[in-house]
Amino acid sequence: GDSVTQMEGPVTLSEEAFLTINCTYTATGYPSLFWYVQYPGEGLQLLLKATKADDKGSNKGFEATYRKETTSFHLEKGSVQVSDSAVYFCTTGGGNKLTFGTGTQLKVEL
Amino acid sequence: NAGVTQTPKFQVLKTGQSMTLQCAQDMNHNSMYWYRQDPGMGLRLIYYSASEGTTDKGEVPNGYNVSRLNKREFSLRLESAAPSQTSVYFCASSEAGGGIDEQFFGPGTRLTVL
Repeated sequence: GDSVTQMEGPVTLSEEAFLTINCTYTATGYPSLFWYVQYPGEGLQLLLKATKADDKGSNKGFEATYRKETTSFHLEKGSVQVSDSAVYFCTTGGGNKLTFGTGTQLKVEL
Repeated sequence: NAGVTQTPKFQVLKTGQSMTLQCAQDMNHNSMYWYRQDPGMGLRLIYYSASEGTTDKGEVPNGYNVSRLNKREFSLRLESAAPSQTSVYFCASSEAGGGIDEQFFGPGTRLTVL
């Protein structure tokens, strides 16, 4: 079955620092790829997605590019804010379901 | 629009007790899902319903049952709770089947089984 591997956290950054959260996946066929974000005490919400190779998803200053040759979908942001503190889940989609990574907690400090 | 709502928000059960977690969505979505979230394990799919009147097992269905009551509502029942079912439970919905469409999540139910 599909699987997702993402870097373990917590990742602690100072405000305005550059963020990268690495994600690689294994899947049959051509899955869609997503990043979901979970703020404290809330459910998950979609941050961005890409549906085919070389697509770049972007939202709220976050970006990720679907790299089929390296089976990766790394999340980046040029300048993080305290309000970005959350848990980030890399996710593949195929067939009838999503497969989630274990999540990476991001803490941004002033 | 309320989106996806779940009740209750918190619940404490004793081993062997039963309970039903309720979920409703007001987005006219066809598909609904139940997940559990455990530390270090991401979200795991318990059951899903691709459309009204159908349900299918996910990755971890043992110890659970579901009912798709109508298009809006999808409930999860624990018949005899066990400590291993202590977790945070999320309901989600999507317009169409799982792997392509965005899923919308409820706020979760935190369940403790003593």
